[in-house]
Amino acid sequence: QKEVEQNSGPLSVPEGAIASLNCTYSDRGSQSFFWYRQYSGKSPELIMFIYSNGDKEDGRFTAQLNKASQYVSLLIRDSQPSDSATYLCAVNGGGSNYKLTFGKGTLLTVNP
Amino acid sequence: DARVTQTPRHKVTEMGQEVTMRCQPILGHNTVFWYRQTMMQGLELLAYFRNRAPLDDSGMPKDRFSAEMPDATLATLKIQPSEPRDSAVYFCASGPTEADTQYFGPGTRLTVL
Repeated sequence: QKEVEQNSGPLSVPEGAIASLNCTYSDRGSQSFFWYRQYSGKSPELIMFIYSNGDKEDGRFTAQLNKASQYVSLLIRDSQPSDSATYLCAVNGGGSNYKLTFGKGTLLTVNP
Repeated sequence: DARVTQTPRHKVTEMGQEVTMRCQPILGHNTVFWYRQTMMQGLELLAYFRNRAPLDDSGMPKDRFSAEMPDATLATLKIQPSEPRDSAVYFCASGPTEADTQYFGPGTRLTVL
């Protein structure tokens, strides 16, 4: 059973701070890693994807991947109240296994 | 602005009734996914299709659930008979290929009384 683990939170940070969201996965053959944001009552929307070890930056968001440690994280710089949402980590299996396995999400609250 | 559409957005029904949910994937996407989301289990994959062919439905209770793609613009998920434990939000997603980003529809919130 492939697993993706996230701290459920809530993670509370003040406005302007850096929010750090973490995710671990069990399938060492996983190839692709995604971060989705889900506002309450809405559908998941993609924030970033990462395939290679290291960092990938997009505006205020940075995804970090460490395949040796089976760990992926999302950093949000200059957090805004509008970033308050649940963040879902998703992992795509390797080889011909393209199913996305989602973590249960971390609830982030950014306080003004 | 291409989007995945789902109907109905909300459905309340009684136990034992048939429920049909519909999804229109983004034009040109050849993979379609059905997910169920609950507070307890999170987001679970029920089934997925590539080029309208079912590839994996191992996450779906086959005695009551069925998923089809009658054509490239329509995917359906049926529950017959429905049970209270089926109450959840059902999302459809589509993507250019399985390995690519999946784009989610707005979901169908199902309540089975």
